[in-house]
Amino acid sequence: DVKVTQSSRYLVKRTGEKVFLECVQDMDHENMFWYRQDPGLGLRLIYFSYDVKMKEKGDIPEGYSVSREKKERFSLILESASTNQTSMYLCASSFLGGTGYTFGSGTRLTVV
Amino acid sequence: SQQGEEDPQALSIQEGENATMNCSYKTSINNLQWYRQNSGRGLVHLILIRSNEREKHSGRLRVTLDTSKKSSSLLITASRAADTASYFCATENFYNQGGKLIFGQGTELSVKP
Repeated sequence: DVKVTQSSRYLVKRTGEKVFLECVQDMDHENMFWYRQDPGLGLRLIYFSYDVKMKEKGDIPEGYSVSREKKERFSLILESASTNQTSMYLCASSFLGGTGYTFGSGTRLTVV
Repeated sequence: SQQGEEDPQALSIQEGENATMNCSYKTSINNLQWYRQNSGRGLVHLILIRSNEREKHSGRLRVTLDTSKKSSSLLITASRAADTASYFCATENFYNQGGKLIFGQGTELSVKP
């Protein structure tokens, strides 16, 4: 069964901490994406990547960075966590050319 | 930026009834996709319809696309309690959006046994 695996389902971090959210896919997908989902705001794209070592800003990149050193792994980094980054974070991957995304189960991050 | 807008925002029906959800979007697209999300989980891809297609079926799902009206609908026939979830439409435009999906706000479907 093909999968996108996010390292944690629930995470609690303190304000100012550096936070790493990991995402691994086993489908040899070129594209990988990080979204956050908040009530009333829907899914908003943070960063995405079309290939190893490539990254593109999404709609809300401020306060985040990403890393893609290997094709199967896409990491989201919160440089200095703040309470307004409390959210559900969703990783997804896809082939190039419009075949649909495969999502991970999500990481619910709480910053206190 | 949100492109798709679902209607209604919430829908409550009895098991066995049909559920219809609508999606409108603003710009040209290459395809439109529907996803389901169970509470607190990731999204699951349901169906993709390309811009040159008008209707597509998958099991109890029927999707229509009207590019002249920039709208799509998702019909779930003979609904079951297990269909209770949020449903999202998402549009993809390879040139203007660079292959990124843009999601609507979702329709929350509740199917009562």
